[in-house]
Amino acid sequence: DIVMTQSPDSLAVSLGERATINCKSTQTVLYSAINKNYLSWYQQKPGQPPKLLIYWSSIRESGVPDRFSGSGSGTDFTLTISSLQAEDVAVYYCQQYYSAPLTFGGGTKVEI
Amino acid sequence: QVQLQESGPGLLKPSETLSLTCSVSGASISSNYWSWIRQSPGKGLEWIGFTSSSGPTYYNPSLKSRVTMSVDTSKNQFSLRLSSVAAADTAVFFCARSEGGTYPYFFDSWGQGILVIVSA
Repeated sequence: DIVMTQSPDSLAVSLGERATINCKSTQTVLYSAINKNYLSWYQQKPGQPPKLLIYWSSIRESGVPDRFSGSGSGTDFTLTISSLQAEDVAVYYCQQYYSAPLTFGGGTKVEI
Repeated sequence: QVQLQESGPGLLKPSETLSLTCSVSGASISSNYWSWIRQSPGKGLEWIGFTSSSGPTYYNPSLKSRVTMSVDTSKNQFSLRLSSVAAADTAVFFCARSEGGTYPYFFDSWGQGILVIVSA
C-alpha cells in the first residue's frame, strides 16, 4: 500500500496569513506516461463529509476559491491557502489514487 | 447536482453483519465508480472499496474477506455488506462517487455519512 504522511498534524494561522500543508507518499504517484500526479486534496469540517478541493495535484474543483492551490510532484505535495479565512478552519486530507488500495493521509487540522 | 444518501442500522452487536445502502440522485448508477469509505478516530479515512454497474469491483485487502458490494440499477442504489463486525468497525461510513480508470480516482460527491456503532 502507498502510505500518505501529512505534516504538520495541526497548525494555527492568523487570518489573512498563509497556511501550508505537506503530504508525502511512500512511492511516486506520478504516472510519467501522461505526466499526471494521482493526488487529491479534501477539506472536512465537523459533522460534514470531506469536500474535494484539488485533483490531479493542482486542479481546483469547480467553486473552490482560488486562495487554495496544490503543487508538487512524485512523492512530495503541498496544499497552500494563500490568505486564511475564518471559514477555512477544517481538517485537510490528501489522497492518492495511483494504485489500489486508495489511501488517505492522516489529516492536518487548521485553526485560527 | 449529484446527491448521495446512506441508510441502514446505526447500532450492531459484535459478530452481526452490517448492511448499508447508498441512494443516488442526480446521476445514473450505471456510470462512474461507487465507493464506500469509513472514518474512525483511530484510523482516519479508510477506503473500503468500490463497485460499478459495468462489473469492476475491488475490496481493500484489509477487509476483503468480510466485504461485499453490489449495485441495484433499478433503484439507482449501491450497497455494502460487512460481516462479523467488531468494536473496531465502529465508524462513520460514507458513500462516494468517482470517475476512474482501472480504479477510482478522486471522490467528487459524498454522502453525509452514517454513524455505525458496534457494541454488545
